[in-house]
Amino acid sequence: QVLLQESGPGLVKPSETLSLTCAVSGYSISSGYFWGWIRQTPGKGLEWVATFYHSGNTYYNPSLKSRVTISIDTSKNQFSLRLSSVTAADTAVYYCARYYYDGSGSLGEYYFDYWSQGTLVTVSS
Amino acid sequence: SFELTQPPSVSVSPGQTARIPCSADALPKQYAYWYRQKPGQAPILVIYKDSERPSGIPERFSGSSSGTTVTLTISGVQAEDEAEYYCQSADSSGAFVVFGGGTKLTVL
Repeated sequence: QVLLQESGPGLVKPSETLSLTCAVSGYSISSGYFWGWIRQTPGKGLEWVATFYHSGNTYYNPSLKSRVTISIDTSKNQFSLRLSSVTAADTAVYYCARYYYDGSGSLGEYYFDYWSQGTLVTVSS
Repeated sequence: SFELTQPPSVSVSPGQTARIPCSADALPKQYAYWYRQKPGQAPILVIYKDSERPSGIPERFSGSSSGTTVTLTISGVQAEDEAEYYCQSADSSGAFVVFGGGTKLTVL
């Protein structure tokens, strides 16, 4: 069973950097699969933030790309999200997830199969 | 980029069939995926590759595709099916992920 658990501050001041870490158990992130971050603003829908592979390719939501940094620590089997220059609009529940990525068929298969429980990050002074 | 459009809400009585459409505004078509999210919980995958059901998901959940619209169908709706449902897809390379706006299923 793949389990993901986020950690990080629940309160961030405007203009500062939001930092979250996702610890993975039950699967080695360096063994394969893509991984990713998704967020959900209060009362709103899901928004994809970024997905990445441990040894390369990282894909970003164009609306967030200039502010997002993804890092990976394979020794600790975890990955991190940093979102800079945050505003109240970045207040959301942040999820980390495993991204099933298979582009070998005529139609690729791309979806999130394991999710964390989510953590609320509030941007406020 | 492209967008996925879902109706904000669908209501059905217990035992009836709920159908939740999700339409894409651009081609070419890629597979669609459906997630169920109950309040305070993370989303869980209920349909993948338009119509496949993951293990553990009840048979009353099914998916179909026609043109640029995919539909999640829940037959014999139960009170426990009341939740928010999201469709999701990606571009042909998998590098751009899109979620629909979500549909609140209310069981009357």
